[in-house]
Amino acid sequence: LAKTTQPISMDSYEGQEVNITCSHNNIATNDYITWYQQFPSQGPRFIIQGYKTKVTNEVASLFIPADRKSSTLSLPRVSLSDTAVYYCLVGDIADKLIFGTGTRLQVFP
Amino acid sequence: KAGVTQTPRYLIKTRGQQVTLSCSPISGHRSVSWYQQTPGQGLQFLFEYFSETQRNKGNFPGRFSGRQFSNSRSEMNVSTLELGDSALYLCASSPASTSGSGETQYFGPGTRLLVL
Repeated sequence: LAKTTQPISMDSYEGQEVNITCSHNNIATNDYITWYQQFPSQGPRFIIQGYKTKVTNEVASLFIPADRKSSTLSLPRVSLSDTAVYYCLVGDIADKLIFGTGTRLQVFP
Repeated sequence: KAGVTQTPRYLIKTRGQQVTLSCSPISGHRSVSWYQQTPGQGLQFLFEYFSETQRNKGNFPGRFSGRQFSNSRSEMNVSTLELGDSALYLCASSPASTSGSGETQYFGPGTRLLVL
């Protein structure tokens, strides 16, 4: 079961790009990397998922190096509404998905 | 498509009582997972149901149980409530079209349970 390590918290200002890196040294060959966003008192919301290289959608990009032992979630030009906790997960349901402590992102005006 | 729905959204119970929470997954999704979230322990996996069978279980006591119906709707039950059971209980569904990696879970808004 791959364990993930993320920074506890990050601060940013509106309009900046934010990069959150997650370490997952024991990632298995079949594991995907998934990021979720959670606002207080709400369920986590899927942001992006990838297996290797780069994945981009309308809200974020996910960069995965060749060795897949880490991944970086990139949020372009954050706004106040991006203030939330971001979780990095590795694996699938069969691995009993484990949410770590996540990264608390605070965006300032 | 409608998202995952959970009922009730808020609940207050007293110690020793039992509670049943309900979750309706996204239409077509066959897997339902339950999580408990508390400030101290974070998000913890309770169990997962697929085709009316419990497929995975987390490290919670037997007071926590669940079931899934033929329409994929799921219920979670907690018996003999303790103060420490106060938490946000989240339900998540996924298509479970394959048994491999890559399944994305879609979470409901949660049920906030307060045990007095």
